[in-house]
Amino acid sequence: DTGVSQDPRHKITKRGQNVTFRCDPISEHNRLYWYRQTLGQGPEFLTYFQNEAQLEKSRLLSDRFSAERPKGSFSTLEIQRTEQGDSAMYLCASSLGGGRRTDTQYFGPGTRLTVL
Amino acid sequence: SQKIEQNSEALNIQEGKTATLTCNYTNYSPAYLQWYRQDPGRGPVFLLLIRENEKEKRKERLKVTFDTTLKQSLFHITASQPADSATYLCASHNNNDMRFGAGTRLTVKP
Repeated sequence: DTGVSQDPRHKITKRGQNVTFRCDPISEHNRLYWYRQTLGQGPEFLTYFQNEAQLEKSRLLSDRFSAERPKGSFSTLEIQRTEQGDSAMYLCASSLGGGRRTDTQYFGPGTRLTVL
Repeated sequence: SQKIEQNSEALNIQEGKTATLTCNYTNYSPAYLQWYRQDPGRGPVFLLLIRENEKEKRKERLKVTFDTTLKQSLFHITASQPADSATYLCASHNNNDMRFGAGTRLTVKP
């Protein structure tokens, strides 16, 4: 399967703990996005990378959230000192964006986070 | 502020009928709009893209329109089937800003 993969698929943690999620994009895609989705809502943009450079972060992204894409391939999203409000589905997407190319994104299955 | 909205949370139709879903945007002009399908517990799956200079785009039983005057896109599924039941999301991309609507949950009853 050459699609976007995410690990883990489910994570249950206690409030105050740190969690890290991993995303492996489609190999030839240069852009990688992270979104958060809660029940009944569309995906909410968090941040994106073009190759290894983090080009944009949502103003909604608190400083407890950090993302990396060290070699321009896989990416990690870390949430420090988790809060119950962080409970959501975290989606990763990749694309061949940039320039005149339209940015059709291919999504992974998501990581569902539950903070107790 | 810039918004993208889908004006119905749920749509129920009978098998064989045409489903029409609406997406409206305000206070910006996206270069293109996209429609995605999302099944429960899964990530969105890309369906169609329409550019601002295109009026209509088709793919099999799917049709999308883009009216820049009304600031609206319509998504149609003709000859609907129970397997079409899912949540459909519209998304806009303007510069580096990707926004999704909240989605419309479509149920096609046999």
